[in-house]
Amino acid sequence: GNSVTQMEGPVTLSEEAFLTINCTYTATGYPSLFWYVQYPGEGLQLLLKATKADDKGSNKGFEATYRKETTSFHLEKGSVQVSDSAVYFCALSRAGTYKYIFGTGTRLKVLA
Amino acid sequence: GAGVSQSPSNKVTEKGKDVELRCDPISGHTALYWYRQRLGQGLEFLIYFQGNSAPDKSGLPSDRFSAERTGESVSTLTIQRTQQEDSAVYLCASSLRGFDTGELFFGEGSRLTVL
Repeated sequence: GNSVTQMEGPVTLSEEAFLTINCTYTATGYPSLFWYVQYPGEGLQLLLKATKADDKGSNKGFEATYRKETTSFHLEKGSVQVSDSAVYFCALSRAGTYKYIFGTGTRLKVLA
Repeated sequence: GAGVSQSPSNKVTEKGKDVELRCDPISGHTALYWYRQRLGQGLEFLIYFQGNSAPDKSGLPSDRFSAERTGESVSTLTIQRTQQEDSAVYLCASSLRGFDTGELFFGEGSRLTVL
């Protein structure tokens, strides 16, 4: 079946550090891949997405590349800020289906 | 409305009582989803609506759970005879069409605590 596995948190970094949050997936066919972010006290919101192999999604300085050969979609940011502190969710969905499969979420805490 | 609205934001109830959770999706969004998020766990799919129809209810944990949607708008998730294991945050999301891997727009959730 389809599934998403992401690294456990919490991840604690100092401001301006490099961030990687690992995400791997198992899916039949060719899913679309997403990163959602949940800031404190808010609902989940889409951060970035990629719909086919080798696509790179990017937003707010975050990037993730759809790697079919390694079934991965790791989230990266070159220099994190305190305002990036949130929970990050990796997810997949296949076109023609309605299901979105989410990972367990990774909490990021950035210290000033 | 401007975003997905859920109510109540917090609900504390006694074991055995019934609860209703409400979701107002973004106007014009035909697809609506309910998820459950237990502490320290991922989002667990409960049910999906396309319009007022729910083609897949298999994610509902037991027959104590039911959901409906009316007017291709508001949805209500009802939990009867609540149990302590029902304690979780219940998230609602909507999207324009469904079936097209478009963006999901989430509400802030309803936190349910069953004593």
